Amino acid sequence: SQQGEEDPQALSIQEGENATMNCSYKTSINNLQWYRQNSGRGLVHLILIRSNEREKHSGRLRVTLDTSKKSSSLLITASRAADTASYFCATVDWAGGADGLTFGKGTHLIIQP
Amino acid sequence: DAGITQSPRHKVTETGTPVTLRCHQTENHRYMYWYRQDPGHGLRLIHYSYGVKDTDKGEVSDGYSVSRSKTEDFLLTLESATSSQTSVYFCAISEGLADSPNNEQFFGPGTRLTVL
Repeated sequence: SQQGEEDPQALSIQEGENATMNCSYKTSINNLQWYRQNSGRGLVHLILIRSNEREKHSGRLRVTLDTSKKSSSLLITASRAADTASYFCATVDWAGGADGLTFGKGTHLIIQP
Repeated sequence: DAGITQSPRHKVTETGTPVTLRCHQTENHRYMYWYRQDPGHGLRLIHYSYGVKDTDKGEVSDGYSVSRSKTEDFLLTLESATSSQTSVYFCAISEGLADSPNNEQFFGPGTRLTVL
């Protein structure tokens, strides 16, 4: 069953603006990861945040995690046309294991030039 | 891109025929995964492997089988393809378990399969 649920499903903003996407999940997690998928391509890992972390930064990306609300957000600052893609959150259950990630359905982000 | 290739990249087949998709990696990573991606469902895990000859089922394994006879190759077989298996199939690899420090998954370019 789907673990993560991204919100919104689609987002269109102007270049230079900030984009915020949210992810909610259902069970206790070990970590949460965000991936990007450009049209017709495979997914690319962006950032990982562990359950004992509240915020993490990587370049123009900022991820927050609120385990009490079982939610995470991905902020992309100063968006660029090249950021146009689908973004997925993926969770790793607390028990971990070899079965890996459970993905949400994704947010499709469009950056208008 | 990580050294992952998938073949074929596109395939059209008929209902009832067997189909095998191949994932090949040059990274010597231990863990390999097969996902399918469908509109409205995101990515769902079909099968995964945690070593040569070691495989297990994922969330949507019915109608699929896998084999891993070498570290570098992970095969996904649709025993008798159905229209519901029309999808985009992605292979992924990772060096470590999902809860380990080196758990990032690297994805292949995908195979678009159409079952008529």
